[in-house]
Amino acid sequence: AQSVTQLGSHVSVSEGALVLLRCNYSSSVPPYLFWYVQYPNQGLQLLLKYTSAATLVKGINGFEAEFKKSETSFHLTKPSAHMSDAAEYFCAVSDPGGGNKLTFGTGTQLKVEL
Amino acid sequence: GAVVSQHPSWVICKSGTSVKIECRSLDFQATTMFWYRQFPKQSLMLMATSNEGSKATYEQGVEKDKFLINHASLTLSTLTVTSAHPEDSSFYICSAGKAGNQPQHFGDGTRLSIL
Repeated sequence: AQSVTQLGSHVSVSEGALVLLRCNYSSSVPPYLFWYVQYPNQGLQLLLKYTSAATLVKGINGFEAEFKKSETSFHLTKPSAHMSDAAEYFCAVSDPGGGNKLTFGTGTQLKVEL
Repeated sequence: GAVVSQHPSWVICKSGTSVKIECRSLDFQATTMFWYRQFPKQSLMLMATSNEGSKATYEQGVEKDKFLINHASLTLSTLTVTSAHPEDSSFYICSAGKAGNQPQHFGDGTRLSIL
């Protein structure tokens, strides 16, 4: 069985500061990992994905994440937060042989302050 | 990029009625579609996995007679909430995936409110 843990249900940063959203996973097989962003009353938008190629993955809107097998982590970072980054962020894991089925973390609400 | 359209975006109806939600992949053929339910301030809960031309696979605890899923083509899946009651009020989101573990692409969700 797979699971995802997102530490910190709420994260607040100042505009221009580093964004770090934490994600740890548990999987019995090498997983695929994803970060999605959700704005109010909308579906999820894919930010980036890790599918066993480069461990440092660059996504849209300046976000990136690094897969660290030894730490079973896939933390999301952005060097400089923008007001438009305020949203809910979900980390998700899938089993490469599991037919695309995703298991989501509980989400982290990012607040960006002036 | 891949686009998934979900309709309607908002539904308000009386208790006891049935509501149909459509999920379409507009620019790709989706071998698999997923239906999720999301409660306020919570994560997405997978309700069922739908493969074109076959019966949907429901997650444990999801009533298949309550939430009817039809996936008649590679671009359309529908979720029908039958005899809806206030406790069925929620945000329902669909997603579509191509073959080979490509990432899922999500619709914009349907806000269902049962009075």
